[in-house]
Amino acid sequence: IVMSQTPLSSPVTLGQPASISCRSSQSLVHSDGNTYLSWLQQRPGQPPRLLIYKISNRFSGVPDRFSGSGAGTDFTLKISRVEAEDVGVYYCMQSTQFPYTFGQGTKLEI
Amino acid sequence: QVHLVESGGGVVQPGRSLRLSCAASGFTFRNYGVHWVRQAPGKGLEWVAVMWNDGSNEYYADSVKGRFTLSRDNSKNTLYLQMNSLTADDTAVYYCARGRGPTGSATPGFDPWGQGTLVTVSS
Repeated sequence: IVMSQTPLSSPVTLGQPASISCRSSQSLVHSDGNTYLSWLQQRPGQPPRLLIYKISNRFSGVPDRFSGSGAGTDFTLKISRVEAEDVGVYYCMQSTQFPYTFGQGTKLEI
Repeated sequence: QVHLVESGGGVVQPGRSLRLSCAASGFTFRNYGVHWVRQAPGKGLEWVAVMWNDGSNEYYADSVKGRFTLSRDNSKNTLYLQMNSLTADDTAVYYCARGRGPTGSATPGFDPWGQGTLVTVSS
């Protein structure tokens, strides 16, 4: 499954919203009825960190300014008001079908 | 505190082998599938492999199938990645990450991730 993110780079203004899109080459709906689409954040020099799982579930400790939405093959990560600590690269990842695959990454820059 | 620590990286010549380790602490290791994900310098993330919690199943990316082999020792809370026939394309930071469930399939994300270990394949 090929994951495609847009944009690949996103200049943003502090306090303003940001949005990243992710499209899969085929449906991510698993036979169990769930859709295993996650969003990860990688800050400079750090390992990736889980933000959102199963499209829209915010992981423990993730600020509520992050939200995920979508269905089937089209997904979106939104940041309601960008803060300085949000700088980094954001990846979508599908874990519905092996081999698991990531989007190319979207670099969020202030 | 839930923790994963990778080790075993370094510089290796093309065609040679290397074994990476992923040591876990702070949780019941035998209850979770564990994945390897790699990141070439300046590039994105590439999923590499996963082993089920009990070692009963494993999957590999096509790019490493037949060259890389997983094993785990639940008594030592450690997952191993044996890498053979290494090429320059294998140069990357290798992360291990805990799947959020016992198997490797239908995993709702990975957490936590280790800090990674750098593997450089060069003559």
